[in-house]
Amino acid sequence: AQSVTQLDSHVSVSEGTPVLLRCNYSSSYSPSLFWYVQHPNKGLQLLLKYTSAATLVKGINGFEAEFKKSETSFHLTKPSAHMSDAAEYFCVVSGGSGTYKYIFGTGTRLKVLA
Amino acid sequence: EPEVTQTPSHQVTQMGQEVILRCVPISNHLYFYWYRQILGQKVEFLVSFYNNEISEKSEIFDDQFSVERPDGSNFTLKIRSTKLEDSAMYFCASITGEMKNYGYTFGSGTRLTVV
Repeated sequence: AQSVTQLDSHVSVSEGTPVLLRCNYSSSYSPSLFWYVQHPNKGLQLLLKYTSAATLVKGINGFEAEFKKSETSFHLTKPSAHMSDAAEYFCVVSGGSGTYKYIFGTGTRLKVLA
Repeated sequence: EPEVTQTPSHQVTQMGQEVILRCVPISNHLYFYWYRQILGQKVEFLVSFYNNEISEKSEIFDDQFSVERPDGSNFTLKIRSTKLEDSAMYFCASITGEMKNYGYTFGSGTRLTVV
């Protein structure tokens, strides 16, 4: 069975400071991992993905994530937060099922303070 | 960039009524999905569809739900007799077989409100 745990339901940072959103996963298979962002009343946008290539993954809007198998983690980072980064972020695990089903984390709401 | 299109964006329906949510996946995609997100909660898998049949469904996807790909382009989710607890945002997604590791393309969602 697969699962994903987002360790923080809310994170607040000041504009210009680093962002860290934490995600741990559990999977019996080699997982594919994703981060999606959802702005208020909007759909789900893919930020970045890990699919067993490089362990440090770069995404859109300056976001990065590092796959650490030993820690079963896939934390999302950004060096400098921008006001427009305020949104809900979902960590997702997939793999091992022929249907490529996604398992979503519960989400982390990022607040960026001026 | 190709998009997954969902219609309508909002739907309000009376409890007990049937609703059909529509999706047009990307044309060369082979796998299709419905997910839902109850307000303030996480996104949940409902069903996956491949080769004109359901390939996997969750425990949420009971006999009140059905999916169909009637004409090779649309992909629909039908709820036969809506309940208040069906109120949610419903997302359609699609992916190609070759692109299975590259992430879904999600539609922008249909917000269903059951009153």
